[in-house]
Amino acid sequence: GAGVSQSPRYKVAKRGQDVALRCDPISGHVSLFWYQQALGQGPEFLTYFQNEAQLDKSGLPSDRFFAERPEGSVSTLKIQRTQQEDSAVYLCASSSTGSGANVLTFGAGSRLTVL
Amino acid sequence: AQSVSQHNHHVILSEAASLELGCNYSYGGTVNLFWYVQYPGQHLQLLLKYFSGDPLVKGIKGFEAEFIKSKFSFNLRKPSVQWSDTAEYFCAVNSPYNFNKFYFGSGTKLNVKP
Repeated sequence: GAGVSQSPRYKVAKRGQDVALRCDPISGHVSLFWYQQALGQGPEFLTYFQNEAQLDKSGLPSDRFFAERPEGSVSTLKIQRTQQEDSAVYLCASSSTGSGANVLTFGAGSRLTVL
Repeated sequence: AQSVSQHNHHVILSEAASLELGCNYSYGGTVNLFWYVQYPGQHLQLLLKYFSGDPLVKGIKGFEAEFIKSKFSFNLRKPSVQWSDTAEYFCAVNSPYNFNKFYFGSGTKLNVKP
């Protein structure tokens, strides 16, 4: 596609529900990143994929967070048993390289509100 | 871990005023530096980047940034702002040795009055 596509754009969940957020990166982009942006803050790193391999998941805040990219293209971020502190915008970004010259192209984000 | 500090959280300027937004980072080694911009209702997009070479980097829409290694700074400047520059600006850094991890500042909201 022309850009990074994320869905849903908005999600309201009751505390304890599971949610799944989808990211469709730019076609052919090797690298895919998930970031969490809380209100009034900058994006914070969650996890990174190079093709289908999850090379870094050090930013995932707890074992309730899980991400996958099984075929090296579309990625899903899953949050189990959501808590109020999970409320944030979840940003997906992709990059054509897997090198130090990474330049991120961001999607519009998925805004999660946990009641 | 690296950290990025943006000192100005909210800046209000009149059109044609000059702009300088501060950005400092904590990492002592070689870094890649970025400014991203988020216009109202839009997604984050790259404004400019520095990898190596000339420390004065020119980006889109008349923006520039200067990398001063001794000060660990990468301040964003524009000589004359326009109303359309109203947006939130984020400074970011990553290391060529850990290029998958970008660290972002908390952002500066710029409001340009017409």
